[in-house]
Formats: sequence, structure tokens, C-alpha cells
Amino acid sequence: SQTIHQWPATLVQPVGSPLSLECTVEGTSNPNLYWYRQAAGRGLQLLFYSVGIGQISSEVPQNLSASRPQDRQFILSSKKLLLSDSGFYLCAWSVGPGGIGNQPQHFGDGTRLSIL
Amino acid sequence: AQSVSQHNHHVILSEAASLELGCNYSYGGTVNLFWYVQYPGQHLQLLLKYFSGDPLVKGIKGFEAEFIKSKFSFNLRKPSVQWSDTAEYFCAVNASSNTGKLIFGQGTTLQVKP
Repeated sequence: SQTIHQWPATLVQPVGSPLSLECTVEGTSNPNLYWYRQAAGRGLQLLFYSVGIGQISSEVPQNLSASRPQDRQFILSSKKLLLSDSGFYLCAWSVGPGGIGNQPQHFGDGTRLSIL
Repeated sequence: AQSVSQHNHHVILSEAASLELGCNYSYGGTVNLFWYVQYPGQHLQLLLKYFSGDPLVKGIKGFEAEFIKSKFSFNLRKPSVQWSDTAEYFCAVNASSNTGKLIFGQGTTLQVKP
């Protein structure tokens, strides 16, 4: 069966420090991968999605970047964190025929990021 | 811009009460609709989905949702809730068939009292 792993589960970082959050998927190949952020009291906002190795689409302008160095690995990064980067970050995957818009997404457990 | 609105932010019910959580979206074209649930301490998981066909869809654990195109709504229902239904519920819409972009509502926290 397919599984998705995110780490770390929680992270406290000072303003201006770099960031690297990792997400890996097992049990499937060529998944579509997504990074979401949930700020306190708000819904989930899509940050990036990827349909293949090295293919990244950014949904909102921000201080973050994403990379997909391997088929089942998705990394969220920042060179210098801002206070506004605090939040709950979720990785998700989907796969299937007929276009990726109508396939359900499966979520990881998330990373709670606090910027001090 | 596309948006999803969940009208109830916090709902408290007693066991066996009926549940209806509202979800409205703003988009005039073809949509794919989802309800996700997050139980305490667990990851977000799919409750049910609508892509096409019968507008009344049934999901896991006795939940169902009805897509009413004329009202741009996809309300979630359950005839009789249980204490174990205590969770946060998210409505999500995909309005782009060639991307996986989901637009989420703000979420509704459901608390069921035993």
C-alpha cells in the first residue's frame, strides 16, 4: 500500500535561518505531489505542485521554493525564513488516469513550523 | 477568484443528532468536489468526493453529500452522529482538470458530546 512520510513533525527556527522540509511517498510511481500550508484559523492553501521530476509549479508568490530531485521525493525550502512563514505544512500525493484534477489527494501528517 | 466557504466554523452536537455542514463555492464551470476529515491526532483523509453522475454521493462512516449545481453547494450530512465523529471537516474544490489545485474552505470543527 502507498504511504507518505513527512519530517520533521515539528520545527522551531529563528528568523533568517534556512529551511528544508522533506516528503517522500512509497508504494507508487510517478505521483503528483503537493505542498500546502495551513495558517492558524484558515483553510489549506496550495503552495506548489509537481507532476514529475524537476517540474514545479508555484501557486503563490512567497519566500519558499520547492524541488523534486527524485520521483517520490518533494522538498520545501527557504534560504531565509520570515515570521510569516510560520504555519502547518502538509505534503500530499495523488495518482491516476484521466487528469490529475479529479483524483483525490492523500495527505501526510504535516510539519508544524514555528519561527521565532 | 475561486473560493470555498464553509459557513459553520464550530458545531457542537449531542450523539444521535443529525448533522449538516454547509459548503459553497464560487466557480461557474465544471468542478470536482471533496470533503476531507481530520480526526484528532490523525492526518487529513478523504471522506467523499464528487466528480460526475449522481449528485448525491456516499462516503465512509455513513456520511453523504449532495451537489446542487444551481446553488453552488456541496453540503455534508449524516443522519445520526457519534462521539467518534468529533473532528475537523474541510470542503475542497478543484476547478482545473489539468492541475491538482484544491481550494479549501476554512474548515468546520465538529464536537460531538456523548
